[in-house]
Amino acid sequence: QVQLQESGPGLVKPSETLSLTCTVSGGSISSGDFYWGWIRQPAGKGLEWIGRVYTSGSTNYNPSLKSRVTISIDTSTNQFSLTLSSVTAADMAEYYCARETYTDYVATWGRGTLVTVSS
Amino acid sequence: QSAPTQPASVSGSLGQSITLSCTGTSSDVGYYKYVSWYQKHPGKVPKLVIYEVSNRPSGVSNRFSGSKSGNTASLTISGLQAEDEADYYCSSYTNSATVVFGGGTKVTVL
Repeated sequence: QVQLQESGPGLVKPSETLSLTCTVSGGSISSGDFYWGWIRQPAGKGLEWIGRVYTSGSTNYNPSLKSRVTISIDTSTNQFSLTLSSVTAADMAEYYCARETYTDYVATWGRGTLVTVSS
Repeated sequence: QSAPTQPASVSGSLGQSITLSCTGTSSDVGYYKYVSWYQKHPGKVPKLVIYEVSNRPSGVSNRFSGSKSGNTASLTISGLQAEDEADYYCSSYTNSATVVFGGGTKVTVL
């Protein structure tokens, strides 16, 4: 079955850009009607939806993060990516990549990757 | 977008039934039928327990059921078991083509 794996730096300096990649295995990122998205959870807090990309490249973003977020897809490598600019301590969280269905539930989660923001 | 409101905590005894609420607006929970619920144990990946308001994924216990009335969705856990102790999050599609999670409810089994 489809599996997702996040990768990227676990430590980012304040004001810099966080970049994470999600590698999809067990299936093609181009097949099926799915969105490919990112969700995060700061320590001790709830889940926060960040945004998603479709295979066409069209995107939807959380309005509160929209000015700093870019999610892109590379069908040739079966990967999609998240960049979040101008990070602060508030962006420290466990970041999950996700496969969302067209009825907007997460069918598959990555295992998560912890991102710390510190100088 | 504002997060749908969930009670911070709900508790119940073993074998009891509890109901968790998720109250949003006509722009999210009340907008359409795309409400889902996730169970999250500490240190684990969230697990889908209900999708499209009331559908249960394969492999999820039939002790979990979902419903919706107006701007409020509900998750009922019947025959409460120790392993049900976890955080539960509702999620809803919005009329802005985004998704929003509720604040989460911590379920304690007494």
